[in-house]
Order: sequence, then C-alpha cells, then structure tokens
Amino acid sequence: GAVVSQHPSWVICKSGTSVKIECRSLDFQATTMFWYRQFPKQSLMLMATSNEGSKATYEQGVEKDKFLINHASLTLSTLTVTSAHPEDSSFYICSARGLVGTDTQYFGPGTRLTVL
Amino acid sequence: AQSVTQPDIHITVSEGASLELRCNYSYGATPYLFWYVQSPGQGLQLLLKYFSGDTLVQGIKGFEAEFKRSQSSFNLRKPSVHWSDAAEYFCAVDHFSGGGADGLTFGKGTHLIIQP
Repeated sequence: GAVVSQHPSWVICKSGTSVKIECRSLDFQATTMFWYRQFPKQSLMLMATSNEGSKATYEQGVEKDKFLINHASLTLSTLTVTSAHPEDSSFYICSARGLVGTDTQYFGPGTRLTVL
Repeated sequence: AQSVTQPDIHITVSEGASLELRCNYSYGATPYLFWYVQSPGQGLQLLLKYFSGDTLVQGIKGFEAEFKRSQSSFNLRKPSVHWSDAAEYFCAVDHFSGGGADGLTFGKGTHLIIQP
C-alpha cells in the first residue's frame, strides 16, 4: 500500500515552454502533497505544500508564478513549471501524506526535467 | 528553523561489516525523525521513523536507529551490510504539528559504497 506515482518520469523541453508534472496517490487519499526539488548529488529541498482544495504554500525563495501547483483532488497534484529555463533543470519529487494526523510521507519516484 | 546534519558525505564499508551513518538535528521541540534510502532510478523509501517511546527503533532491511536527545542525534546502524545496501541515505526531520501540513527537512545525504 501507500504508492505514489509521478508522470512523466523524465521530460526534455525547450527553453520558454511549460511543463506539467503529475503526482498521484494510487491507493490512498492524500490530503496533503509536497513538492521537492533535488539537484544532482544534493539533498531534497521542499518547494511547496499543497492541500486539497486550497492554494499551495510556497517555501521562501520559490517563485509561485513559475511553479504552479494544483491539488484539485485527493489523489492528484500537479506541478507546472512555466516558461522553463535551463536553470530549472532538476529532479522534482512529490510526496503524499494521508489523513490529517498521520505521520508518514510517501514519495514518488521523481521526474527528471531537462530544459534545453 | 530546524536543520539536519549528516557529516559524512561518503562512507565505504566492506560487505559483511557493520555500518553506522551519523545524523544530528537542530530543533527546539521533540522532533519527528526519519531515515530514507534512495537508490538510482527509484523513489525514496522509508527505512524507519521515530516519534516517541523506545529510543531504539527497528526498520526494514535490518536497519535500526537510536534517538539520543542529549546528543541531538539519530544515527542509523546495520550489523552486517550487503552489496544491495549501496545507495544514498537521507536523514530527515519533521516539525509535525499534528495537522499533517509540514514538509520534511533533509540532511545532505550520505553515499554508501560497499566494497566486495
């Protein structure tokens, strides 16, 4: 149980285009989903927290207009990187947490974004 | 703000030998502590977690960790490593407030190399 999927697993796009990444909780309802960014050989950095049906909360330094997050259902959150540039190239990882008060985040396999 | 320090960037251990990966945290209240493992091409997998109670916690794959409040540490141990344990290991802390709305703060990771 507690499986989280991401789609696509990798994407290559041209500079200036937008890319959407999906995060799904397959066998549980995720009231809260998180988006992290991981640079090569570095740690994961929390970008934003999204709660179903409400606006995402972004960490300091993360541009909310560049990284649009939507959490329209209890099983799906999307991250859209708008007007992507090469410096946005990274590994994006989502995680999902179930019912309020539960204690564990389950991570997706990640999406490798390369912007040319 | 909370922080997590993993002082060892790389550790090399012979197969069959014991392992200890260090983790120190900085947080004012009682932390919720986690160890995750990340293998190439795979998502983060939870090894174990500590919230309260017995300070020695058992996890999957033969791993255990001990919470020492006096040392602000949560070191991961395994008595005998296998070649399949080679991976990146992350310690993380969560300022879990009960609302399930908090992301994790990760250490920078320790890359474990297993020698034959």
